[in-house]
Amino acid sequence: KQEVTQIPAALSVPEGENLVLNCSFTDSAIYNLQWFRQDPGKGLTSLLLIQSSQREQTSGRLNASLDKSSGRSTLYIAASQPGDSATYLCAVRPGQAGTALIFGKGTTLSVSS
Amino acid sequence: GAVVSQHPSWVICKSGTSVKIECRSLDFQATTMFWYRQFPKQSLMLMATSNEGSKATYEQGVEKDKFLINHASLTLSTLTVTSAHPEDSSFYICSAHDLLAGGYEQYFGPGTRLTVT
Repeated sequence: KQEVTQIPAALSVPEGENLVLNCSFTDSAIYNLQWFRQDPGKGLTSLLLIQSSQREQTSGRLNASLDKSSGRSTLYIAASQPGDSATYLCAVRPGQAGTALIFGKGTTLSVSS
Repeated sequence: GAVVSQHPSWVICKSGTSVKIECRSLDFQATTMFWYRQFPKQSLMLMATSNEGSKATYEQGVEKDKFLINHASLTLSTLTVTSAHPEDSSFYICSAHDLLAGGYEQYFGPGTRLTVT
């Protein structure tokens, strides 16, 4: 059974720091991997989606990498800002298109000004 | 990108009553929709897969008689929490693929906060 683990569970950094969030999954046979942001009491905002054949995706200050063979992904946030404070969720889609995402428990990020 | 809506965004009900939550794909057809539940400070847990025109597939440990799912059209799935109890209080989120666009990405609704008193 696919399991997704995110480390650390919580992270506090001062504004301007670069940081890395980690995600690992137990079964490397995934279709794709997606990173989301969730603000307290709110729904999900999709940040980056990496197909299984890709190694990384970038959007603005965010860069996500994928090493499928080792079952790992990282989300790199450059020059963090207080507005980046949120919970970041990693999710993998096993198998093929049309199957449900399996989520990690998330990393709660707090960026202080 | 594709848009998924949910209604209501929040609901408070009394113990023993039933609550219906609607999930709609606004600009695409969704043959499959997913229902997730999220308890405070926990991750999203898949409850069931809703298939248009057929019965839903429930995850292990989810009571199908308690969480009734109907997917009567390609743009609407409903989740009815029957005989709700305080332990059913949670954040319920639906999602769907746009398979005609390749089904690569899963689009999420904004969620419904259910509080059972």
